[in-house]
Amino acid sequence: DGGITQSPKYLFRKEGQNVTLSCEQNLNHDAMYWYRQDPGQGLRLIYYSQIVNDFQKGDIAEGYSVSREKKESFPLTVTSAQKNPTAFYLCASSIHRQGSREQYFGPGTRLTVT
Amino acid sequence: GEDVEQSLFLSVREGDSSVINCTYTDSSSTYLYWYKQEPGAGLQLLTYIFSNMDMKQDQRLTVLLNKKDKHLSLRIADTQTGDSAIYFCAESMGSSGSARQLTFGSGTQLTVLP
Repeated sequence: DGGITQSPKYLFRKEGQNVTLSCEQNLNHDAMYWYRQDPGQGLRLIYYSQIVNDFQKGDIAEGYSVSREKKESFPLTVTSAQKNPTAFYLCASSIHRQGSREQYFGPGTRLTVT
Repeated sequence: GEDVEQSLFLSVREGDSSVINCTYTDSSSTYLYWYKQEPGAGLQLLTYIFSNMDMKQDQRLTVLLNKKDKHLSLRIADTQTGDSAIYFCAESMGSSGSARQLTFGSGTQLTVLP
């Protein structure tokens, strides 16, 4: 079964701790993305990566970091510098293909920082 | 800049048609998408339309695009309780060979009443 997995589904951390969210895809997609979703708001792009060992900041990258060492994996670290980290985090991937821009999403990780 | 707007809530009776509306500001948008999000889950791509099309139909779903007014709509025929979810409109600008960001609206919560 091809798809995108995110783990864990729920994550709890104390303020001041860094935390890493996992995202894995076996769709052989080139591009991967991290979004943040807050209640009543749309998705906001944190980081994206078009190719292994390369990534770009999105609209709200401050307080986050990513790596893309393998095509299948794009972990997101929420650092202690992120002022309001409690949110629902969504990972997505897409294939580079003429005329195709759709992104496929994982099930999400809900992070709660207290 | 890019902006995508949707009304926040819509309620319909089971069996009726639902129409979810979206407006966007970027006239260079090349692809427009509709995603569905069920509670606590990731986003599921429902359908998309190229900017050179006016209409696309896929079973119970009909997408209408008015490029002049920058207006996109999603019609769900014979709405069922399982259609209750948040529906996101998204736009992307495309140039072939590059991963492009999607700009999402804030989502429309569709509630289907029995």
